[in-house]
Amino acid sequence: QSVLTQPPSVSGAPGQRVTISCTGSSSNIGAGYNVHWYQQLPGTAPKLLIYANNNRPSGVPDRFSGSKSGTSASLAITGLQAEDEADYYCQSYDSSLSPPHWVFGGGTKLTVL
Amino acid sequence: EVQLVETGGGLIQPGGSLRLSCAASGLTVSRNYMSWVRQAPGKGLEWVSVIYSDGRTYYTDSVKGRFTISRDSSKDTLFLQMNSLRAEDAAVYYCANHFGGVIVGDYYMDVWGKGTTVTVSS
Repeated sequence: QSVLTQPPSVSGAPGQRVTISCTGSSSNIGAGYNVHWYQQLPGTAPKLLIYANNNRPSGVPDRFSGSKSGTSASLAITGLQAEDEADYYCQSYDSSLSPPHWVFGGGTKLTVL
Repeated sequence: EVQLVETGGGLIQPGGSLRLSCAASGLTVSRNYMSWVRQAPGKGLEWVSVIYSDGRTYYTDSVKGRFTISRDSSKDTLFLQMNSLRAEDAAVYYCANHFGGVIVGDYYMDVWGKGTTVTVSS
């Protein structure tokens, strides 16, 4: 069981908008720690997609955006493209663990129909 | 260009040992926080261990006492010594560099290696 909860899968047609949720608790997202998102294309390593809730590293299209509120966060992808088909992971930090450490969501598989 | 390259994975029997290496280029291992993250077959990402720039080390509970993270500053290389390996340790192991944030809790992993595969089986 992951500390952060994501839906196992989402899907959308090309051009559509999809969102992926990431639900935590008062010891991680709700404690004020930032949420980061990673994209993992099939057979490759994770890649940083969104950092500090809503910031995009250089080279990441502005079709990707993040938000955070309370104990949850969301990743939104607009103008869905075939190359967006991948697994997406949220990540935060949990202060209730011993030792406190970084935690990931279980991952969400995005299928482009 | 910043790059991390992991090596050392392979097939090992339960109870055996392996030492993973992560060679860094474009960044100084000893000045950064660096972690090992693993991904079991068909599963999600799991943080395993971190070494801080000041040398402090931390581990997830399931590997405490069996795994040791270390670094060689002269070679800009990160290591993970894995002893008493179990079937549940089988995974792709990634090294990752931490960056950003005012506090440790806000650090994110901005650079990842391509991973090295550890298979534990008799």
